[in-house]
Amino acid sequence: NAGVMQNPRHLVRRRGQEARLRCSPMKGHSHVYWYRQLPEEGLKFMVYLQKENIIDESGMPKERFSAEFPKEGPSILRIQQVVRGDSAAYFCASSGGLANYNEQFFGPGTRLTVL
Amino acid sequence: AQRVTQPEKLLSVFKGAPVELKCNYSYSGSPELFWYVQYSRQRLQLLLRHISRESIKGFTADLNKGETSFHLKKPFAQEEDSAMYYCALSGRSSNTGKLIFGQGTTLQVKP
Repeated sequence: NAGVMQNPRHLVRRRGQEARLRCSPMKGHSHVYWYRQLPEEGLKFMVYLQKENIIDESGMPKERFSAEFPKEGPSILRIQQVVRGDSAAYFCASSGGLANYNEQFFGPGTRLTVL
Repeated sequence: AQRVTQPEKLLSVFKGAPVELKCNYSYSGSPELFWYVQYSRQRLQLLLRHISRESIKGFTADLNKGETSFHLKKPFAQEEDSAMYYCALSGRSSNTGKLIFGQGTTLQVKP
């Protein structure tokens, strides 16, 4: 089991471009979480998804950010019209069952740099 | 407000010395507390959770509801313990399991 996969590991975008971050959960996991880590800060929850459903998006900025977890394929975090403040490490985690009592397994993260 | 505070950004100790990484939380319901660790060039991984009441790699943490704390302790630090440590909280009444993280503490164990 390769664990949670994220790609790309590093992504550079210019202001105004779109960024797409991908997360493949661990085999057998159907729950995906996205977290963002700004420089010098801890991880901040963004969104929780199950297959084809957004369960909790209370941490997502209201504009430009969206997430999906289709029936087939990886979960995608999409940031439109990126700004310098979007530069951060974005981590994905997956768990296998009832969210509260199942361990979340983290991916290596995608480091987004906005020029 | 739900919040996790780790007051120390950096903790530096010598090998063999006791270690205590502080974590305080604010949560109105019944929380579940975790410690996650990130070793150099590795991904974030779960170290221990209060509900398990176990010791991992010599580390223990006790949930003190009166002081709203969940400090991580180890009696004798090893060089391989050097890493970034994050305290995190999840609400038991929450149906999402999202984690609220502290800012993290870098533990540096000197030889």
